[in-house]
Formats: sequence, C-alpha cells, structure tokens
Amino acid sequence: QVQLVESGGGVVQPGRSLKLTCAASGFTFSYYGMHWVRQAPGKGLEWVAVIWNDGSDKYYADSVKGRFTISRDNSKNMLYLQMNSLRAEDTAVYFCTSGLKFSYWGQGTLVTVSS
Amino acid sequence: DIVMTQTPLSLSVTPGQPASISCKSSQSLLHSDGKTYLYWYLQKPGQSPQLLIYEVSNRFSGVPDRFSGSGSGTDFTLKISRVEAEDVGVYYCMQSIQMWTFGQGTKVDIK
Repeated sequence: QVQLVESGGGVVQPGRSLKLTCAASGFTFSYYGMHWVRQAPGKGLEWVAVIWNDGSDKYYADSVKGRFTISRDNSKNMLYLQMNSLRAEDTAVYFCTSGLKFSYWGQGTLVTVSS
Repeated sequence: DIVMTQTPLSLSVTPGQPASISCKSSQSLLHSDGKTYLYWYLQKPGQSPQLLIYEVSNRFSGVPDRFSGSGSGTDFTLKISRVEAEDVGVYYCMQSIQMWTFGQGTKVDIK
C-alpha cells in the first residue's frame, strides 16, 4: 500500500534552517509529481511547493519563495524540503502528498519556529 | 491568485440526514483540456487530509457513494446523502488550474 512518511521536524529558532524528508513506498515514485502542504496550528491547509516527477520543474507559494527549496531523489524514493530563514509564521505541520490529485498524504511532521 | 470560498464554515448534522457544502472560486476552473480541476478532501480529527472527490464529481477509490460532487465553472457543491458519525471533520475544496489553493474549510459535526 502507498506510504508517505515525513520526518525532520522540530523546534528551531527564527532565522535558522531545517530540512524535512518524505519517504515514499508502495507506488512508482518517479512517475508522480510531489507536493508539500502545511497546516498552521488550528488553521487550514496551505500549499507550499511542488516538484515535477523528474525534478525538472519546481514551484513555490509566494510565502516561501526564495527561502524554501524542494528536491527529490528518485533512486531513493525520497522527497525533501530545505527550509532556510525560518520565521514564526512557518510554524506548522508539514505534509507531503502525491500526484496531481493529492491522492495520498503522509502523517505530517511538526515544525515549530520559536526563540 | 484564485480564491476559494467555502460556505458554511461549520455545519451540525443529524445522523442519517443530508449535508451540503458550497465552494466558489474567483475564476473558472475549466481548463482548455476539458477538465475542471476542483477537488474535495476530508480531514478527520487528528488525521491527515484524505481525497474524496477529484475533478468535480469523481469519487476516489474506497470513498462511499453517499459522497457526491457537482458543479461547473466557479460554483461547486459537495453533498453527503446520509451523514454518518465517521463523516465528522473538516472538509476542504481545492483548485489546481492555477497553482494550488484550498478553501478555508468547513467543519462538520454531529448533532
């Protein structure tokens, strides 16, 4: 069955960096574009970034553009989100999700940006 | 940017009764390929979101047939024919014709 497992969250000071990882299994990872979506505490869903199946294209929400970088390693079935210059407003649960339809979601990993 | 507006923001439903959620987009979601890129997700308490409906009216694998989606252009509706206790949670619509944007969410609980 399809599994997406995020890791790498934690507490980080404003201005610092953090790298999230999403391990995929149960489907042909290299066939699908992958996204990161986040959810601030008690709030709704916010799309963050997408990467094409072959890594050839990447797009970002305006709120993270220039600070976050999405990448993938199809040989390892892994998706990444490098987050730099973190701000308090980046505090959220970060989910990875698959494909055009966001068909499958991981359980999420909590990132807390606080001094 | 396309703005997605859901109504109502909360809904309390008696089990066995129907429920309906509206989602309006600020621009048409009809693509030149003929598809309309509107999706519905349910986030049950303490869980990740799950896909219910894709491209307006197609139920995802395993989704009960009491869930149905309809609409076109900028106006869309998710209907639950007979609400069950397991349907509680927050429902989100999402568009993907121009980047990706979610509605604010509609919280559904049981009376």
